[in-house]
Amino acid sequence: QVQLQQSGPGLVKPSQTLSLTCAISGDSVSSNSAAWNWIRQSPSRGLEWLGRTYYRSKWFNDYAVSVKSRITINPDTSKNQFSLQLNSVTPEDTAVYYCARVGQNGFADYWGQGTLLTVSS
Amino acid sequence: DIQMTQSPSSVSASVGDRVTITCRASQGINSWLAWYQQKPGKAPKLLIYAASSLQSGVPSRFSGSGSGTDFTLTISSLQPEDFATYYCQQANSFPRTFGQGTKLDI
Repeated sequence: QVQLQQSGPGLVKPSQTLSLTCAISGDSVSSNSAAWNWIRQSPSRGLEWLGRTYYRSKWFNDYAVSVKSRITINPDTSKNQFSLQLNSVTPEDTAVYYCARVGQNGFADYWGQGTLLTVSS
Repeated sequence: DIQMTQSPSSVSASVGDRVTITCRASQGINSWLAWYQQKPGKAPKLLIYAASSLQSGVPSRFSGSGSGTDFTLTISSLQPEDFATYYCQQANSFPRTFGQGTKLDI
């Protein structure tokens, strides 16, 4: 059974960097058949896909245009986890952030528990 | 970006009712559509993928249909645990996009 466990602070000041981690059990971040995603949810923007990392003989990333200049998603094979960094945050980045696995069927079948991230001074 | 539009935004129903939720894509997405159920304070749960395939462990009262731009989620006989918010999501192209949600309440 795949499980995703998120960790990271719940409060970040404006202009600082948001950092979240998603630890994987029951699968591998280096799997050739999965992709590891970050999705956020807010009342104003709904569910918003942010980006993904995946391994197909080498590492690839895809990012949403809306955050492309500010986002980095990195795998950590030594700890079997992946991370989200979002730079220069503003109050509009306040949301619940989820990590999720997209499996062979092409859809997010396992999700983390969610992290409420508040951007406030 | 592909826009996903759900209707209705909310629906009231009773235990035992049959409920249908609709999702329309702004352009054709073949069968690259999923339905998720979300309860308050929880992550979304995958119910249906590839428009009509039932995710493992999901009760058979849930079904999905459609292709191209128009899709439906049907719950054949509502159970108390089905009262939640439902979202569609397209996986035809990037960025992945979601519908705005349909809240199903009593």
